[in-house]
Amino acid sequence: SAVISQKPSRDICQRGTSLTIQCQVDSQVTMMFWYRQQPGQSLTLIATANQGSEATYESGFVIDKFPISRPNLTFSTLTVSNMSPEDSSIYLCSGGTGENTQYFGPGTRLTVL
Amino acid sequence: DAKTTQPTSMDCAEGRAANLPCNHSTISGNEYVYWYRQIHSQGPQYIIHGLKNNETNEMASLIITEDRKSSTLILPHATLRDTAVYYCIVRVYASYDKVIFGPGTSLSVIP
Repeated sequence: SAVISQKPSRDICQRGTSLTIQCQVDSQVTMMFWYRQQPGQSLTLIATANQGSEATYESGFVIDKFPISRPNLTFSTLTVSNMSPEDSSIYLCSGGTGENTQYFGPGTRLTVL
Repeated sequence: DAKTTQPTSMDCAEGRAANLPCNHSTISGNEYVYWYRQIHSQGPQYIIHGLKNNETNEMASLIITEDRKSSTLILPHATLRDTAVYYCIVRVYASYDKVIFGPGTSLSVIP
């Protein structure tokens, strides 16, 4: 199994600012993913974080709004740019291991005022 | 789009078996059935997965029909800590394949 941690666990931000969320895995994983979970809803996949290349975004999500980095096999960041209140959500990362099971972080709870 | 359909909500008495159904009539031959759950304010937790044979681990059992078009997750002795949203997902058995979540089933375990 893999243990995934995220920083920060929560934050309150002003509109127009940006927040970078960090995701750290305790072992090397092949794939990492970022999700958004809006209040009372299921998880929506934002993008696949590719190691050493640009992230692959799902429909409705763009790099300018959600830039992603993945410098190595255990770490990734997601930035929420130019935030508005509609960006208030929980953001989660996940990682796939050699057992082909995705493990999830605890999430970052973001509130935009 | 999610490839599965699940009931929106279910109740189960504490100590009884919780049986959570899932329909996946369009499942492909190389796709597995995975179950995750999300306890309030936590990240999703992997429970179990299977291809066509029934599977059991320390958390649950997974029963897949012979035609693979539906499955049932069984929590043999539900406790209050099993109250969560349960997600049934079909995906290829590969770490590169995305986990796409549907709305899931909200299970309430009642004292």
